[in-house]
Amino acid sequence: ETAVFQTPNYHVTQVGNEVSFNCKQTLGHDTMYWYKQDSKKLLKIMFSYNNKQLIVNETVPRRFSPQSSDKAHLNLRIKSVEPEDSAVYLCASSPGVTSAETLYFGSGTRLTVL
Amino acid sequence: QQKVQQSPESLIVPEGAMTSLNCTFSDSASQYFAWYRQHSGKAPKALMSIFSNGEKEEGRFTIHLNKASLHFSLHIRDSQPSDSALYLCAVNSGTYQRFGTGTKLQVVP
Repeated sequence: ETAVFQTPNYHVTQVGNEVSFNCKQTLGHDTMYWYKQDSKKLLKIMFSYNNKQLIVNETVPRRFSPQSSDKAHLNLRIKSVEPEDSAVYLCASSPGVTSAETLYFGSGTRLTVL
Repeated sequence: QQKVQQSPESLIVPEGAMTSLNCTFSDSASQYFAWYRQHSGKAPKALMSIFSNGEKEEGRFTIHLNKASLHFSLHIRDSQPSDSALYLCAVNSGTYQRFGTGTKLQVVP
């Protein structure tokens, strides 16, 4: 059953607009992540966050920013979208604070930038 | 920087066959090795994982790790059409898991 919830499922927008995606996990996990899955299905880490530390992948453009109100929520904001941002954005959580644990994924938000 | 690569890129097998998927990694300090499965339009879901050298079996699935060779694999016994999916290997790298390029498996009746 789903325990990592993402909204919206789909979003279509124009170049230069701002978008926000939401993610909530009900597993009581300590760490959440955002991954980008491109058209070739490659999963690339964007951010990892627990209640103590935000880790940003240095290759992520500055127009992307994570936003968290508590350890159950991690949203993603894109300030000014570009065509190459079209992808599926996957949120995930893991129980503890190490990277050696199972990831639980949401169903993703598919972004199309026109 | 950790590199994770999978082979083959895609695979078609008959129902009932043994399927073998491969994953190589570059960081010998990695400690966690996992396989995820993603059905079309769905979330990736963990299949199984391993920490130390050797084999681990769960039902029809077996994971094999050889750290010295920087290689691990997933074997699916008696492959079923429901196994048709994208298979992703993952290796821990610092504070997150890095994923491979994926193998698209199709099991035909």
